[in-house]
Amino acid sequence: AQTVTQSQPEMSVQEAETVTLSCTYDTSESDYYLFWYKQPPSRQMILVIRQEAYKQQNATENRFSVNFQKAAKSFSLKISDSQLGDAAMYFCAYRSAAWGGSQGNLIFGKGTKLSVKP
Amino acid sequence: ETGVTQSPTHLIKTRGQQVTLRCSSQSGHNTVSWYQQALGQGPQFIFQYYREEENGRGNFPPRFSGLQFPNYSSELNVNALELDDSALYLCASSPETGSAEAFFGQGTRLTVV
Repeated sequence: AQTVTQSQPEMSVQEAETVTLSCTYDTSESDYYLFWYKQPPSRQMILVIRQEAYKQQNATENRFSVNFQKAAKSFSLKISDSQLGDAAMYFCAYRSAAWGGSQGNLIFGKGTKLSVKP
Repeated sequence: ETGVTQSPTHLIKTRGQQVTLRCSSQSGHNTVSWYQQALGQGPQFIFQYYREEENGRGNFPPRFSGLQFPNYSSELNVNALELDDSALYLCASSPETGSAEAFFGQGTRLTVV
């Protein structure tokens, strides 16, 4: 079974600085997707960034980028120029590329609570 | 805003009762998944519905059941509520069952007393 581990329960960053959130995962599959979701106090899960395992290039979305190390099964999120609105819970998630059954669901880590100091 | 709406937003039930949570999926999406998020934890997969059929289930007992309707909206039913069922219940919709994209609603906070 696949697992996702986030070893940092809480992180803090100064506004305008850069912070990196860590995530490791375990799988025997070769084709899968990895995600970072943001969950603010409003509770809605918001997709921050997505990475396909077959792509060697790291995904980037504006101030958010990932460091995907497939062999090491590591998937970290870097937030540049941190803003007050970035404060939230961040969840790393894994999804098999296989269809159907329980393989199509997202497997989440326990989350990292990010605080941004003004 | 994702276009996925859940109702109600909050709910308080007594142990042993039954509850129904509702989810309206994003327009054009035929796949709905339900997750349970206990306090301080990541969401856990309950089950997924594709074109009105359950096509995947996580490690939850049979008292957790669901439905998907022809318009692809969905219900989560929980019978014989237990205190440990207190959690945030999230619904996510996807364009297709094989799609990598999942769009979440704002969740229903269920408290069992």
